[in-house]
Amino acid sequence: GAVVSQHPSRVICKSGTSVKIECRSLDFQATTMFWYRQFPKQSLMLMATSNEGSKATYEQGVEKDKFLINHASLTLSTLTVTSAHPEDSSFYICSARGHGRTSDTFGNEQFFGPGTRLTVL
Amino acid sequence: AQSVAQPEDQVNVAEGNPLTVKCTYSVSGNPYLFWYVQYPNRGLQFLLKYITGDNLVKGSYGFEAEFNKSQTSFHLKKPSALVSDSALYFCAVRFQGGKLIFGQGTELSVKP
Repeated sequence: GAVVSQHPSRVICKSGTSVKIECRSLDFQATTMFWYRQFPKQSLMLMATSNEGSKATYEQGVEKDKFLINHASLTLSTLTVTSAHPEDSSFYICSARGHGRTSDTFGNEQFFGPGTRLTVL
Repeated sequence: AQSVAQPEDQVNVAEGNPLTVKCTYSVSGNPYLFWYVQYPNRGLQFLLKYITGDNLVKGSYGFEAEFNKSQTSFHLKKPSALVSDSALYFCAVRFQGGKLIFGQGTELSVKP
């Protein structure tokens, strides 16, 4: 089936630094990628939608200057948390949606990465 | 506004017993509904979806879900629970463009 990877799986950084998280579709072309944020034992909150070659669309309340999203190719999207602070500590998950008829046996069309645990000290 | 709700934070089931994880939705038009499972510190795994057609949808790992339009529900079920089914389960509704909105999540605990 379609595979989405994220790198790094976990990162610890100092307050004020910037952190880049990569999301890659390994065996399909992802025309759309989504970035989610999840606090412990809570639901996923959609942060933004990115389409290859165009600016990301951010959800209400998400600061686009703080969470920079780039979707430069059909297999790679990056999320950069700028000037990170402890309150940005969270689990960040991306998902990718393929072009055309990318789907698995049960009709899944959106594939999730394994997540990145960000801890800001 | 379109949304999904999972009324139970936690469901406890004995191994071998049937399990049900509840989900209700509020959408305009025809709903596109999904169930995902999440294991600790992992991303989401797709279980099944309802778009149209049969109200009973079969999915991965022996799970199934029943779409009930009159009750606006989409409960997840499995006839015989396994300890390995213990995880966090999310119901979701899909918007145009593929955007998913998730319910609060239900933690399923299956005891031997």
